[in-house]
Amino acid sequence: GESVGLHLPTLSVQEGDNSIINCAYSNSASDYFIWYKQESGKGPQFIIDIRSNMDKRQGQRVTVLLNKTVKHLSLQIAATQPGDSAVYFCAENREGSYIPTFGRGTSLIVHP
Amino acid sequence: NAGVTQTPKFRILKIGQSMTLQCTQDMNHNYMYWYRQDPGMGLKLIYYSVGAGITDKGEVPNGYNVSRSTTEDFPLRLELAAPSQTSVYFCASTGAFFGQGTRLTVV
Repeated sequence: GESVGLHLPTLSVQEGDNSIINCAYSNSASDYFIWYKQESGKGPQFIIDIRSNMDKRQGQRVTVLLNKTVKHLSLQIAATQPGDSAVYFCAENREGSYIPTFGRGTSLIVHP
Repeated sequence: NAGVTQTPKFRILKIGQSMTLQCTQDMNHNYMYWYRQDPGMGLKLIYYSVGAGITDKGEVPNGYNVSRSTTEDFPLRLELAAPSQTSVYFCASTGAFFGQGTRLTVV
């Protein structure tokens, strides 16, 4: 079936490095994507979103890239800090829907 | 503005017991959702609501019921608790605001 998934379950980086977390989606009808950060014992926290009419969107230290041709989404975190350690989820919304469908998640570990 | 508030934070139930997980939001959002999250997994949608009086099933609705009598409140009901319902439950509004979760263990 169609799904949202992540390539890497765990990503380890050094403090100060840039991190890239990837996500593949298979439903070409998805038109809205969200990245969430979930710290241990807490609920998901909205980080950044992007609509399918955009290729790139930037926030504070984060950038989301969308490649509709290959159905790929990435989250780039600049100058990664220990406080960025968490599980990151991408979620897709099918066209006309406001119901996020979540992928499995990637654990980001930042070493000081 | 409290955002999305869930109660209780933790609960242990015996098999066959029932309980209601409470969720309330003070942002006047129409869309609300209940998800469950099993260890090491993503969130699976149980039920959602697009406004007061309107609810619909998500991916994993069996064993649960919801109601939406007001815009603010979206309680989730477990009628006959089973071990398979051991999980962390999250309520959300608009897909951007999540509660802190309810950790439920069924023994």
